[in-house]
Amino acid sequence: SYEVTQPPSVSVSPGQTATITCSGDNLGNKDVSWFQQKPGQSPVLVIFEDSSRPSGIPERFSGSNSGNTATLTISGTQAIDEADFYCLAWDSSTEWVFGGGTKLTVL
Amino acid sequence: QVQLVQSGPEVKKPGASVKACCKASGYTFNKYYVHWVRQAPGQGLEWMGVISPSGGSTSYAQKFQGRVTLTRDTSTSAVYMELSSLRSEDTAVYYCARDVDVGVLVDWGQGTLVTVSS
Repeated sequence: SYEVTQPPSVSVSPGQTATITCSGDNLGNKDVSWFQQKPGQSPVLVIFEDSSRPSGIPERFSGSNSGNTATLTISGTQAIDEADFYCLAWDSSTEWVFGGGTKLTVL
Repeated sequence: QVQLVQSGPEVKKPGASVKACCKASGYTFNKYYVHWVRQAPGQGLEWMGVISPSGGSTSYAQKFQGRVTLTRDTSTSAVYMELSSLRSEDTAVYYCARDVDVGVLVDWGQGTLVTVSS
């Protein structure tokens, strides 16, 4: 079955850029969404279709997907961005698959 | 506004089944697919399956094939997730989520905690 891999943790200083990756075989050929989840809360969609932002999501969140890697970038990271982030990959030939999650720490 | 309201917590014994409910409001129920995703304590998100409310067609993760059944009731705008042959590893929060455009899970329920314990 298809798998996608994320780093378990990423640390960033306030105001800096955080980069979270999601890797999988030919992932660039699939649609990737990103979700933010804070403790005790339901996930929130922050990026869909690789690079689109839902309404209400700050512009500092952006995404890309090419080759074997999708990337979530948070520019000017703020303390409120500290959370777990999950990628979700899909195409018509495979089932939906979540990455294992990345804990973003803003130090 | 769109709401997905899920049923309350459940405690089940190993080998039993559980049926969780996700009641939708604020949008045309038949128009959007609904996914189920679970999260074991301290673990990541795990996709379980998806249902089309209009026709009732379903797709399940290979891991849950034969154990999970998604159904819907269009008269009450509710989607149900039934998981059978429960084991301790099925202890998790189970979420439903509305898909507005193939993998765009923009609205989520509050989750249903299922605890499997003897």
